[in-house]
Amino acid sequence: DTEVTQTPKHLVMGMTNKKSLKCEQHMGHRAMYWYKQKAKKPPELMFVYSYEKLSINESVPSRFSPECPNSSLLNLHLHALQPEDSALYLCASSQDAAGLSNQPQHFGDGTRLSIL
Amino acid sequence: RKEVEQDPGPFNVPEGATVAFNCTYSNSASQSFFWYRQDCRKEPKLLMSVYSSGNEDGRFTAQLNRASQYISLLIRDSKLSDSATYLCVVKPGSARQLTFGSGTQLTVLP
Repeated sequence: DTEVTQTPKHLVMGMTNKKSLKCEQHMGHRAMYWYKQKAKKPPELMFVYSYEKLSINESVPSRFSPECPNSSLLNLHLHALQPEDSALYLCASSQDAAGLSNQPQHFGDGTRLSIL
Repeated sequence: RKEVEQDPGPFNVPEGATVAFNCTYSNSASQSFFWYRQDCRKEPKLLMSVYSSGNEDGRFTAQLNRASQYISLLIRDSKLSDSATYLCVVKPGSARQLTFGSGTQLTVLP
């Protein structure tokens, strides 16, 4: 029943593969986020898009490449990932411009990524 | 010192019990406060925002104490379905992103 939808739900890929994670929201939110979450840890912020522009990159390795084609969509392109990149990848959105908003973030149900 | 600290638990309580979680934050300029719950292998879901005057939503009550820099969540009449990890989330200040506590694990036992 989440209003932020992510695909695929599960992804298994080798270290040489290229794949993309997709996120979509139709709540009219102008800020979108990618998080990485390891087991029994809180989500860690990776990227923030505000009004379709990348506003924050939390020193994420270049093997992760975000893209925001329009205000409703957010992609995360993956290439040459490492086994330690296996995690749950969460997309979130919030109403106003990221950083200025006091609005909560709403999360998608995540993509569980396993790197072989 | 971590920006947001929570007791990781686990808290194991019988059905019907009242349980309270506390969370402390280090940045006195923090502006917004939330409680999220996260079920095993699921995404975090907003449980409630925390307002200065305190707020209640059914069996859940959230309080904010700015002087002591902590927020609390009280769950009354615990249900089995309340079993989850509860994440304290703070917006440390203007133009800062949300900061998550490490979560408190709750198990409600039959």
